[in-house]
Amino acid sequence: QLQLQESGPGLVKPSETLSLSCSVSGASVNSLYYYWGWVRRSPGKTPEWMGSIDSGGGTHYIPSLRGRINVSRDLSKNKISLKLSSVTAADTAEYFCVRDSGHFAIDFWGQGILVTVSS
Amino acid sequence: DLVLTQSPLSLPVTLGQPASISCRSSQSLVYSDGNTYLVWFQLRPGRSPRRLLYQVSNRDSGVPDRFSGSGSDTDFTLTINRVEADDAGIYYCMQGTHWPGTFGQGTRVEI
Repeated sequence: QLQLQESGPGLVKPSETLSLSCSVSGASVNSLYYYWGWVRRSPGKTPEWMGSIDSGGGTHYIPSLRGRINVSRDLSKNKISLKLSSVTAADTAEYFCVRDSGHFAIDFWGQGILVTVSS
Repeated sequence: DLVLTQSPLSLPVTLGQPASISCRSSQSLVYSDGNTYLVWFQLRPGRSPRRLLYQVSNRDSGVPDRFSGSGSDTDFTLTINRVEADDAGIYYCMQGTHWPGTFGQGTRVEI
């Protein structure tokens, strides 16, 4: 059974970089036809798909985050990572690692990790 | 920008009774290949979110058959037939026809 587990700091200071990792078991992050990415859910807001990495290593980002976001993978550790720079309070959210089977049909989610941006 | 509007935002339900959630799109969700990429997710406290339905009405493995999806073009509905206590949570629709994928605001189902 595929499992995704997010990890990282729960508190990040404004203007710093948020860094999260997602350990994947039960499937390879190199799998053909799948995208591995991140979704966040801010308090009182609609969830937001942030970005993903495909089987060829290509990355795809929501326009509003371009320039601040980086999604990468480590094939040797079967992990994906999220870096979001210059964070503000607006980036406070629950962050989910996800697998997308195409056309944003997310078929697996991690449990999520709450990240608060505060000094 | 494409907007998905869910209603109601809060849905009190009675055990054993049916419940329906609407998801309306500001644009047609029919893709050029003829498919409609609309999915429904369930979020419950302490558990990973899970997909219930994909391409409008295809139920995922392990999802009880009391969950069903219907609709076309811009109007879609998630129906729970005979609500159970375990169904309490937040339900989201999400479209994947137009890039990037976008979510509805969510509907909180309260038993």
